[in-house]
This record gives sequence, C-alpha cells and structure tokens, in this order.
Amino acid sequence: DGGITQSPKYLFRKEGQNVTLSCEQNLNHDAMYWYRQDPGQGLRLIYYSQIVNDFQKGDIAEGYSVSREKKESFPLTVTSAQKNPTAFYLCASAMDRELNQPQHFGDGTRLSIL
Amino acid sequence: AQSVTQPDIHITVSEGASLELRCNYSYGATPYLFWYVQSPGQGLQLLLKYFSGDTLVQGIKGFEAEFKRSQSSFNLRKPSVHWSDAAEYFCAVGAAHNFGNEKLTFGTGTRLTIIP
Repeated sequence: DGGITQSPKYLFRKEGQNVTLSCEQNLNHDAMYWYRQDPGQGLRLIYYSQIVNDFQKGDIAEGYSVSREKKESFPLTVTSAQKNPTAFYLCASAMDRELNQPQHFGDGTRLSIL
Repeated sequence: AQSVTQPDIHITVSEGASLELRCNYSYGATPYLFWYVQSPGQGLQLLLKYFSGDTLVQGIKGFEAEFKRSQSSFNLRKPSVHWSDAAEYFCAVGAAHNFGNEKLTFGTGTRLTIIP
C-alpha cells in the first residue's frame, strides 16, 4: 500500500546537536511538506517542496533545513539554532497539480530535548 | 491572508448524540475547504473536502459538512457519534487558484471527547 513513512517515531536531542527526521513516500507525489504541531497551535508549515531539488520556506523555517534530492524523500534537519525544538513533526505529500489540496500525512515524529 | 478559526477547543458529546464542530474561515477568493481528523500520536486523515458544486459534502466515517459562503463557515456534522470518533479535528482552507505561493492554513483544532 502506498503511504508516507516517518522515522523515528520518537527522537531525543541533546543541546547543541543537529538531528534529522526522515520522511519517505511511495505515492509518486511531487509536493512534500513539513509541519510542526504544538498543543493548542494547530499545524504550522516549516518547509515545502514542489519538485525535486527545489524547496521553499514556510511560516517557521528558522532553525530548520531540508533537502529534496529524490522525489520520494524529504528529510528535515532540526539544527542547534532551533531553541525550542520540542514538538510533534508531521510530514505530508500531495500531487503537484493538487498543490494546496488534500494532503496525505505520515504518523509523525515526536522530538524531545534531553 | 487566509485564516481559519475553530472556536471550540474541546467538546464533549454522549455516544449516540449528534455532533457539530464549527469552522469559520477568512479568505478573499473562492476557498477550498477541508476537514481532517487526528487520533492521538498519529498523522492527519482527510475526512472530506469542498471544492465547488453542492455545498453539502459527504465524507468518510459518516461525517458531512456544509459550506455557507454568506457565513464564511464550513461546519462538520455527524448525526450519531461513536466512541471511536474521539479525536482531534482540524479545519483547513486553501486557495482555489494556486499562484505558486499559496498554502493550506489549518485551524487550531477541536478535541472531541465521547462519554458513554
């Protein structure tokens, strides 16, 4: 079955450390997204990519970086510059021509600070 | 800029009772509207969507929503809730015309609790 796989499910970060969250999809979707979810704040867009080797900043990109070297993969790196990284991170995808339309979500990665 | 308001943070409903979750949006042009559901510790699942046409849309799991342009609302309804409906529900709005930089905007969610 097609879908989005996020790993790991739980991740812990030490002070000053960069960590990378994995997102893989086999839906053949062009567009991929990273969201951050905090209690009471809904979903906030970090980065998105509409095509391989291209990506754009979302609303809260500071302290994060991404790459899109393959259509199937859109990893998110939480850098040491992100001072409050504890959150639930969701990856999503959509067909390019359906950009801004229904998105398919992974099951998320919960990041905590040690 | 587009925005979505879900005025109810938490709603408690008895099993078998009817449900209505409110969603109000702000957008200057024709919106695309969505409802998603999230179970604890999981991603979001699309319940239903409105693009155009009939303003009453049917979704999965027995949910429906009605688009009311005059009220800028897209409320979610279910005639009889089941214990398995307990979850968090998100309304989202997107632009009907993609100018390259438009994105989905999500509301802050409504948490639904079902009591026996």
